[in-house]
Amino acid sequence: NAGVTQTPKFRILKIGQSMTLQCTQDMNHNYMYWYRQDPGMGLKLIYYSVGAGITDKGEVPNGYNVSRSTTEDFPLRLELAAPSQTSVYFCASSRRLAGGDNEQFFGPGTRLTVL
Amino acid sequence: AQSVSQHNHHVILSEAASLELGCNYSYGGTVNLFWYVQYPGQHLQLLLKYFSGDPLVKGIKGFEAEFIKSKFSFNLRKPSVQWSDTAEYFCAVTPPTASNTGKLIFGQGTTLQVKP
Repeated sequence: NAGVTQTPKFRILKIGQSMTLQCTQDMNHNYMYWYRQDPGMGLKLIYYSVGAGITDKGEVPNGYNVSRSTTEDFPLRLELAAPSQTSVYFCASSRRLAGGDNEQFFGPGTRLTVL
Repeated sequence: AQSVSQHNHHVILSEAASLELGCNYSYGGTVNLFWYVQYPGQHLQLLLKYFSGDPLVKGIKGFEAEFIKSKFSFNLRKPSVQWSDTAEYFCAVTPPTASNTGKLIFGQGTTLQVKP
């Protein structure tokens, strides 16, 4: 299993440009998440999905959109890139086991710079 | 606001020293607790987790953590660190309101530097 994969690994955008960060998991997990990591701030949840066709906002959703048309894929869309969106983005997935175990598995991350 | 706090932002230790990283959370009720590690240039990996049972949990690479419900704490420990433990460590909590979604609330992270 490849686990959680993300593309691209690095990207530089100009202000106002748009892009889609790709995330795919091959573990048949129902739950998927997008986080951003900023220095000294830990990880903040942007959006999450509990299954195909179901998405919801996390702590910091402004400026982002998501879709979940299949179990495997959970792309994150930036419509009008702003310098405040310079960050490292991590995608994660999990399955809910008996007893409430919800361990998340993370992808390698996408480092995005907006200039 | 409810949150997860890691008290130590940057820790420097010599090899063989003992490690304890603090983590406190402010959610009442049943929580799931995690410690993740991010080695330089790598993605987050699970060190250990607690969701029920014995409050002393053991993880990979000799790490352990103790859940103390009365103190709302889940501190990470290792008796003797190695240079290879140099990494950033994150405490994370699934609060009761997120039990159906598995969302994680992360602490700010602690950077551990181990000197050889």
